[in-house]
Amino acid sequence: AQTVTQSQPEMSVQEAETVTLSCTYDTSENNYYLFWYKQPPSRQMILVIRQEAYKQQNATENRFSVNFQKAAKSFSLKISDSQLGDTAMYFCAFMIPYGGATNKLIFGTGTLLAVQP
Amino acid sequence: SAVISQKPSRDICQRGTSLTIQCQVDSQVTMMFWYRQQPGQSLTLIATANQGSEATYESGFVIDKFPISRPNLTFSTLTVSNMSPEDSSIYLCSVAAQSGANVLTFGAGSRLTVL
Repeated sequence: AQTVTQSQPEMSVQEAETVTLSCTYDTSENNYYLFWYKQPPSRQMILVIRQEAYKQQNATENRFSVNFQKAAKSFSLKISDSQLGDTAMYFCAFMIPYGGATNKLIFGTGTLLAVQP
Repeated sequence: SAVISQKPSRDICQRGTSLTIQCQVDSQVTMMFWYRQQPGQSLTLIATANQGSEATYESGFVIDKFPISRPNLTFSTLTVSNMSPEDSSIYLCSVAAQSGANVLTFGAGSRLTVL
């Protein structure tokens, strides 16, 4: 069975600084996708970044980047120049495509990030 | 990406009653997913709903408790039956994003409180 582990229940960072959220996963599959979603107090789940397992290059989206270590099954999220609006719960998630198509997501337990002014 | 509307946004329910949550998508989608998020917890998949077939339930979830309908490619309902306080959760509908990049888009969720 696939599992996703986030070992940091809560983190805090000062505005404009950099923070890294950790995520590890377990699977015997070779083809899969990894995601970071954020859930602000509005509870809307928002996709932050996505990584295909077959790509060695780490995904980047503006201030958000990942460090994908396939052999170590590690997928950390780095937020640079943290902003107050980044305050949210961050979930790491994992998907195995079904026949190449979108399939269910398996979520980690989440990390609550607080950006301090 | 697809736009998802969920109703109700929130509700307070009495023990023993049932409530149906609606999920409307602005485009046709093959697969729809229903998740539960208990207070302070992560998201857990309840079931996958395909149009024209029975929903597929995850371990720990049964059709009698969470019946799902999927009458067409843009709509689904999840019913929470015979509710107890333990059913107090946020229920989220999700679908594949139109980009087809194996990304799920989520509705805003329905927050149920069972007294």
